[in-house]
Amino acid sequence: DSGVTQTPKHLITATGQRVTLRCSPRSGDLSVYWYQQSLDQGLQFLIQYYNGEERAKGNILERFSAQQFPDLHSELNLSSLELGDSALYFCASSVYQGTGGTDTQYFGPGTRLTVL
Amino acid sequence: AQSVTQPDIHITVSEGASLELRCNYSYGATPYLFWYVQSPGQGLQLLLKYFSGDTLVQGIKGFEAEFKRSQSSFNLRKPSVHWSDAAEYFCAVGGYNKLIFGAGTRLAVHP
Repeated sequence: DSGVTQTPKHLITATGQRVTLRCSPRSGDLSVYWYQQSLDQGLQFLIQYYNGEERAKGNILERFSAQQFPDLHSELNLSSLELGDSALYFCASSVYQGTGGTDTQYFGPGTRLTVL
Repeated sequence: AQSVTQPDIHITVSEGASLELRCNYSYGATPYLFWYVQSPGQGLQLLLKYFSGDTLVQGIKGFEAEFKRSQSSFNLRKPSVHWSDAAEYFCAVGGYNKLIFGAGTRLAVHP
């Protein structure tokens, strides 16, 4: 158990809908990262937040957004869902903001999203 | 551009045999390197990491990895594989604020 929690574990929804994935980082970690794991793209970095501020953006679609709240939990919002958004979404957390390199990221169990 | 290559998509070994999973990276500066393992239906568990210093690093579950700068490699090894090691293994390089992952190597273990 990494100490990172994600809810829900599974999510099934229809095309065009909007969903919210939630992540609670390890105690003491200030950074939260979101990754998408799909069969065709593999593991891709989406976005990072550090202490409530966006710090880095990866291959995140405009239909996707995220935020980190004062209690440091984070939410990933996916809207206008398409079949291709079906994937496993991971949250990770670390102590620092990763400036100048990266520190160790600890991953949650993931949320499996199925878009029908 | 930063990238990670894991040349072997699938590997099958017999229980008790030794294991080496290959990882090559492309990164402009001193790399931060990681190996993670993903069991079916599970998240990613950190096996080991290399930031600096001794190029042979020890991890959990009896795994070790060796950083070879001249070959841009960070191969994962285990002297004797157990059936419970069957999983998918990911090598990653730490870029600015993110991890860049390889495509993964799926390990099957024969009894």
